Amino acid sequence: QITLKESGPTLVKPTQTLTLTCTFSGFSLSTSGVGVGWIRQPPGKALEWLALIYWNDDKRYSPSLKSRLTITKDTSKNQVVLTMTNMDPVDTATYYCAHRRGAARSDWFDPWGQGTLVTVSS
Amino acid sequence: SSELTQDPAVSVALGQTVRITCQGDSLRSYYASWYQQKPGQAPVLVIYGKNNRPSGIPDRFSGSSSGNTASLTITGAQAEDEADYYCNSRDSSGNPVFGGGTKLTVL
Repeated sequence: QITLKESGPTLVKPTQTLTLTCTFSGFSLSTSGVGVGWIRQPPGKALEWLALIYWNDDKRYSPSLKSRLTITKDTSKNQVVLTMTNMDPVDTATYYCAHRRGAARSDWFDPWGQGTLVTVSS
Repeated sequence: SSELTQDPAVSVALGQTVRITCQGDSLRSYYASWYQQKPGQAPVLVIYGKNNRPSGIPDRFSGSSSGNTASLTITGAQAEDEADYYCNSRDSSGNPVFGGGTKLTVL
């Protein structure tokens, strides 16, 4: 059974750097084809993909946020870490991590962590 | 702005069939995956690939694709299917992208 759980601060101040950790079990990030992604959802709004890291350390970022994001993995700890710099109140959202799999012409996120609400406020 | 377009809201009578659509150029090359999200909960995968359901997803959920449009069909909608539904595929750079979501109301 695959599970993921996000952890990190619930409140950050504007201009600060956010660091979120996704701790997972039930799979290895050294297995070919496997990835872990971060997705966020502002209150009452749609899902927005942020970043993705694959078993081979290939990293992908949302073009609109690329300059502020860094994603890394620690295979031995079964963790993926996302950092987002220069936080702003518009970054207030629930942040999810999710297991990523793919096949020919298809990718999907399954399962997802429970999410963690991050509020940006002074 | 999203490269995948969904209708903001759709309604269906209890027990009837409803189709939720997702449009985008990338859907000509990649299949969409579909997620159900109920209030206060994390999204749950309901359809992936050509038309695959994860374990535990009822068979009233099905997926299809034609041209630049992917569809999620619920045949015999139940009250518990009332939720937000999101499609996901790739953008022109090959990165993941989500649609804007469709709020499904079961009347």
